[in-house]
Amino acid sequence: QVQLVESGGGVVQPGRSLRLSCAASGFTFSGYAMHWVRRAPGKGLEWVALIWNDGTNKYYADSVKGRFTISRDNSKNTLYLQMNTLRAEDTAVYYCARDRPPYDTGGPSYWGQGTLVTVSS
Amino acid sequence: DIVMTQTPLSLSVTPGQPASISCKFSQSLLHSDGKTYLNWYLQKPGQPPQLLIYEVSSRFSGVPDRFSGSGSGTDFTLKISRVEADDVGLYYCMQSKPLPPTFGQGTKVEIK
Repeated sequence: QVQLVESGGGVVQPGRSLRLSCAASGFTFSGYAMHWVRRAPGKGLEWVALIWNDGTNKYYADSVKGRFTISRDNSKNTLYLQMNTLRAEDTAVYYCARDRPPYDTGGPSYWGQGTLVTVSS
Repeated sequence: DIVMTQTPLSLSVTPGQPASISCKFSQSLLHSDGKTYLNWYLQKPGQPPQLLIYEVSSRFSGVPDRFSGSGSGTDFTLKISRVEADDVGLYYCMQSKPLPPTFGQGTKVEIK
């Protein structure tokens, strides 16, 4: 079955960097686009970033554009989110999610359990 | 940019009664490929979100048939025919094309 396990969250000071990872299993990782989605405390879901199955296309929310970078290593079945110049408002649970249709995007289908990122001095 | 409005923001429902959530958009979501990329998600307390409905009206794997989606163009609705206690949580609509994807504000469903 599809499994997504996020790691790399923690407490970090404003202005510092953090890299999240998402280990995927149970499906052909190279065949699916992948997303990062976050939920800040007391707020709703916010889509963060999308990467095409082969890594050729990447999209970002305006709130993270220029600071976050999504990437993937299909040989390791792993998705990444490099987060630079972190701000207090980036504090959230970060979920990785697999897209639904293969070789296209139609929105997240399977989700990991999430990893908490806290940006605080 | 597409503006989306999800209503209501909260809903209190008696078990066994129906419930309905609406999402409206400032422009049509009908894609050039003929599909409409409108999904519905439920996030139960302490759990990650789960996909309920994709492409307006298709139920995802394992989703009970008391959940249904409808709509076209700019107006969409999620209906729960008979709410159960396990249905509590936050419901979100999400449009995934045109890119970038965006979520609605969320609707909190609780049981009376």
